[in-house]
Amino acid sequence: QKEVEQNSGPLSVPEGAIASLNCTYSDRGSQSFFWYRQYSGKSPELIMSIYSNGDKEDGRFTAQLNKASQYVSLLIRDSQPSDSATYLCAVNRAGDKIIFGKGTRLHILP
Amino acid sequence: DTEVTQTPKHLVMGMTNKKSLKCEQHMGHRAMYWYKQKAKKPPELMFVYSYEKLSINESVPSRFSPECPNSSLLNLHLHALQPEDSALYLCASSQEGTGVVLGYTFGSGTRLTVV
Repeated sequence: QKEVEQNSGPLSVPEGAIASLNCTYSDRGSQSFFWYRQYSGKSPELIMSIYSNGDKEDGRFTAQLNKASQYVSLLIRDSQPSDSATYLCAVNRAGDKIIFGKGTRLHILP
Repeated sequence: DTEVTQTPKHLVMGMTNKKSLKCEQHMGHRAMYWYKQKAKKPPELMFVYSYEKLSINESVPSRFSPECPNSSLLNLHLHALQPEDSALYLCASSQEGTGVVLGYTFGSGTRLTVV
């Protein structure tokens, strides 16, 4: 089982709709969970971090964490064409390591 | 200053060359990282420096040699690379957490091509 799994997509969502991105992880000891956005040819940009079960909202973004199910998700409300990017789920492993999933390509349809 | 600065942005080198990548941050972060990212793949951890000491080496070949001269600078020395080492090399930094890893700030990367 891969440490961090994501559907590679592409996920196509109409402009203005909610985009839902999902991620599962294998290490039950993980405590820190992140969502990064990466535009083509650019470096990853941290958009959300979450450390405890439940929801965390920041503007149009909501991160959800369920440690019992080892599941992290990212919701993007009112999707915009500028949200089209690859979204990387990242999870810490023992020690000061962050491991990335393969990423989900999101395409917002105008 | 909330940036991680990487230089150069692009580098083309031959397999017999020696070159260095440079990373600088002035956020007071005490952990710094090198990641390698190939096209359409996730970033892969190479090295972690914590308080200027190498704490993690992810079994990286010796042709990659990291160096942390001070708390703001991180270098990656390259020697005798192979074409398959061509990739985007990302530097990142973070505050040291207490048992919880805090998010990284990534630099814009160095696009390396080995010919």
